[in-house]
Amino acid sequence: GAVVSQHPSRVICKSGTSVKIECRSLDFQATTMFWYRQFPKQSLMLMATSNEGSKATYEQGVEKDKFLINHASLTLSTLTVTSAHPEDSSFYICSAGPSGARGETQYFGPGTRLLVL
Amino acid sequence: AQSVTQPDIHITVSEGASLELRCNYSYGATPYLFWYVQSPGQGLQLLLKYFSGDTLVQGIKGFEAEFKRSQSSFNLRKPSVHWSDAAEYFCAVGSSNTGKLIFGQGTTLQVKP
Repeated sequence: GAVVSQHPSRVICKSGTSVKIECRSLDFQATTMFWYRQFPKQSLMLMATSNEGSKATYEQGVEKDKFLINHASLTLSTLTVTSAHPEDSSFYICSAGPSGARGETQYFGPGTRLLVL
Repeated sequence: AQSVTQPDIHITVSEGASLELRCNYSYGATPYLFWYVQSPGQGLQLLLKYFSGDTLVQGIKGFEAEFKRSQSSFNLRKPSVHWSDAAEYFCAVGSSNTGKLIFGQGTTLQVKP
């Protein structure tokens, strides 16, 4: 089946620094990828839709200047948490589906756990 | 508004017993429905999905789910639970227009020996 990877799997950073998380589709191309945030023992909250070659679409309440998304190729999307603060500590998960298959199966990465000290 | 409700936050069953996890959705059009499983600290693994056709769908690990339009439900079932099934289970509805998924709150499954 389709495989999505994320890097790093976990990261610890100091408050005020920026952190970049990569999401890659390993065996398929994805014009659209999605970024989610998950707090402990809670569901996944969609943050934004990453579109290859164009600007990301952010969900209501998500700061686009805080969470920068770049989708430079058909297999890579990056999420940069800028000027991270302890409240940004969370589990970040990306998903991707094969291009042209809107609404069909999304495959999820293993997640990145971010801890901001 | 689109939404997914999983009424049971936590379920405990004995190993070997049958399992049913409930999922109700609200969606304007014909929904794409999914069940995902998440082990602690891990990403989500797709168990099964419904797009159209036969309303009883089979998935991996012996799971099945039945789409009931009249009840707006997509309940997940397994006839005999194994200890390795202990995990968090998420029901989700997908938009055919945007590809976005809306997740339910999740159900934590605990399996007693």
